[in-house]
Amino acid sequence: QTVVTQEPSLSVSPGGTVTLTCGLSSGSVSSSHHPSWYQQTPGQAPRTLIHTTNVRFSGVPDRFSGYILGNKAALTITGARTDDESDYYCMLFMGSGISMFGGGTKLTVL
Amino acid sequence: EVQVVESGGGLIQPGGSLRLSCAASGFIVRDNYMSWVRQAPGKGLEWVSVIYSDGKTYYADSVKGRFTISRDTSGNTLYLEMNSLRAEDTAVYYCARDGREYDYSQYFYYYYMDVWGKGTTVTVSS
Repeated sequence: QTVVTQEPSLSVSPGGTVTLTCGLSSGSVSSSHHPSWYQQTPGQAPRTLIHTTNVRFSGVPDRFSGYILGNKAALTITGARTDDESDYYCMLFMGSGISMFGGGTKLTVL
Repeated sequence: EVQVVESGGGLIQPGGSLRLSCAASGFIVRDNYMSWVRQAPGKGLEWVSVIYSDGKTYYADSVKGRFTISRDTSGNTLYLEMNSLRAEDTAVYYCARDGREYDYSQYFYYYYMDVWGKGTTVTVSS
């Protein structure tokens, strides 16, 4: 069974840049999977950041950018802030109505 | 204001049934794609089910045959009927309105979550 893979944890210094990736256990991620990205802080509902690979959702600052990096989807955060410390999830559209989330990346800003 | 509010969660014994509701305001449920997403304690997000505006429904393998997504045609509510509940169904269940886009190269619609509720907690335990 195909699994969507993400780094379990990453860290970045305040003001720094970090890239989170989203892959497939078998095969490559492409723009045809229409990757979307979500941010979640503990105890809160998720917040939509990016859809359709690289379209920033309403109100999302341009510090967040999505793209395809090789055979994965990627989310880059530039100028990291302490309030970016969250869990980040990618979701891929697998076709036939089915979507799948990755396991999430816990981002620490320190 | 566009929002969705879930209700109906609670403690239920294994093998039991529960129906979750999602009340929408600021938009019409039947005109949109709508999803359920869940999150087990300490775990990540899991897509559960979607209903398209044309009524087509799709499910994750983990719930197929046990869960049914539906909507109130006269009101503005989304539902998730959950049967044969198992301990591994214990989670916070989020309702979401989906944004919908058309892939002109592959000729299908795809979706992403654009409005999230705060969730309702389902605990399956004896």
